[in-house]
Amino acid sequence: EVQLVESGGGLVQPGGSLRLSCIASGFSFSDYWMNWVRQVPGKGLEWVANNKEDGSEKNYVDSVRGRFTISRDNAKNSLYLQMNNLRAEDTAVYYCARPTRGSYWYYDLWGRGTLVTVSS
Amino acid sequence: DIQMTQSPSSLSASVGDRVTITCRASQSISNFLNWYQQKPGKAPNPLIYAASNLHSGVPSRFSGSGSGTDFTLTISSLQPEDFATYYCQQSTITRPYTFGQGTKLENK
Repeated sequence: EVQLVESGGGLVQPGGSLRLSCIASGFSFSDYWMNWVRQVPGKGLEWVANNKEDGSEKNYVDSVRGRFTISRDNAKNSLYLQMNNLRAEDTAVYYCARPTRGSYWYYDLWGRGTLVTVSS
Repeated sequence: DIQMTQSPSSLSASVGDRVTITCRASQSISNFLNWYQQKPGKAPNPLIYAASNLHSGVPSRFSGSGSGTDFTLTISSLQPEDFATYYCQQSTITRPYTFGQGTKLENK
């Protein structure tokens, strides 16, 4: 079955760290850029970061740059998001998402998400 | 950043109605515009890509149009399973890949 499964969310204090994981199955993981997209409960969607197929290029939204690090291990079909110096405004459901390949791309595969709550 | 603005933010309609949701980009994005449907507690599901192309398996009652800055998502005859929140998203080369704020479609 083609799927993405996230894990690693939880409750963390402001200033703390958390590492999210996303395990892919059913497709050739190393052929795709991979993304993290987040959603504050009850609010809209926000692109967070993406990582090139071979891991060589990484991009971030301004609000997380310098605090979050995206990485991948193609041998393990896994995507990661290391989140440091967490803030209350980082509280959200974090989705792993696969974009289609080509110029006219869109997210055709999403995980179920993992909830990160930043609170004291 | 490219701002994506949807209207309306919420919409009440009945089964069988024709429904139109609008998405406006703050600058021209050609046809690099996608639509997603999200139900409570679930991940978004793709509906339309490149402004007017249906994702595999999406019913033909859904359609998209537009180019440049103005786009529409139309549901020709609303079905019970269509009550959800809809998001547009720009997928140009310009990061961040921004989404609209969402349109919640409710049962009248």
